[in-house]
Amino acid sequence: KQEVTQIPAALSVPEGENLVLNCSFTDSAIYNLQWFRQDPGKGLTSLLLIQSSQREQTSGRLNASLDKSSGRSTLYIAASQPGDSATYLCATTGGETSGSRLTFGEGTQLTVNP
Amino acid sequence: EAQVTQNPRYLITVTGKKLTVTCSQNMNHEYMSWYRQDPGLGLRQIYYSMNVEVTDKGDVPEGYKVSRKEKRNFPLILESPSPNQTSLYFCASSSLKGNTEAFFGQGTRLTVV
Repeated sequence: KQEVTQIPAALSVPEGENLVLNCSFTDSAIYNLQWFRQDPGKGLTSLLLIQSSQREQTSGRLNASLDKSSGRSTLYIAASQPGDSATYLCATTGGETSGSRLTFGEGTQLTVNP
Repeated sequence: EAQVTQNPRYLITVTGKKLTVTCSQNMNHEYMSWYRQDPGLGLRQIYYSMNVEVTDKGDVPEGYKVSRKEKRNFPLILESPSPNQTSLYFCASSSLKGNTEAFFGQGTRLTVV
């Protein structure tokens, strides 16, 4: 059974810092890995999707990398802003669970202080 | 605009009173699923559907029912809600192969008293 772990559980940084969020997974036979953002009490917004054949994806100040062989992904946020404060979740599809089912980590709660 | 729509957003009900949370998507996705999110437990899948009339249990199906009579709709039914079903619920849809982005609804905050 796929297990997804995110470290750290919480992170507080001053505005302007570059930061890295980590995600690891136990079963490397995934279709893709997706990073989401969740604001308190709100839904999940997809940030980046990395296919299993890809190494990284970029969107604006965000860059996500994927290393299937080691079961790791990182989300890099450049020049962080207070508006980036949210919980960031990573999720995999595929693996032993197969198909389109998402297996989530518990998230990293990010606070960017002005 | 591609979207998944859930209703209601907030619901307070009493133990045992049947309720339905609706979910609709406009992307012609085959795969739809329901998740619940609880502090310390993360997001867990309740039920999923791979197409019309094809549904199956996820990790935490007890106390829930679903149906998929139309491709766009996937309602979640609580026949006899209990307080331990108080949670934040999300509906999601994606393509069947799982190689495309998953879209989530805005969530339904359910409180069972």
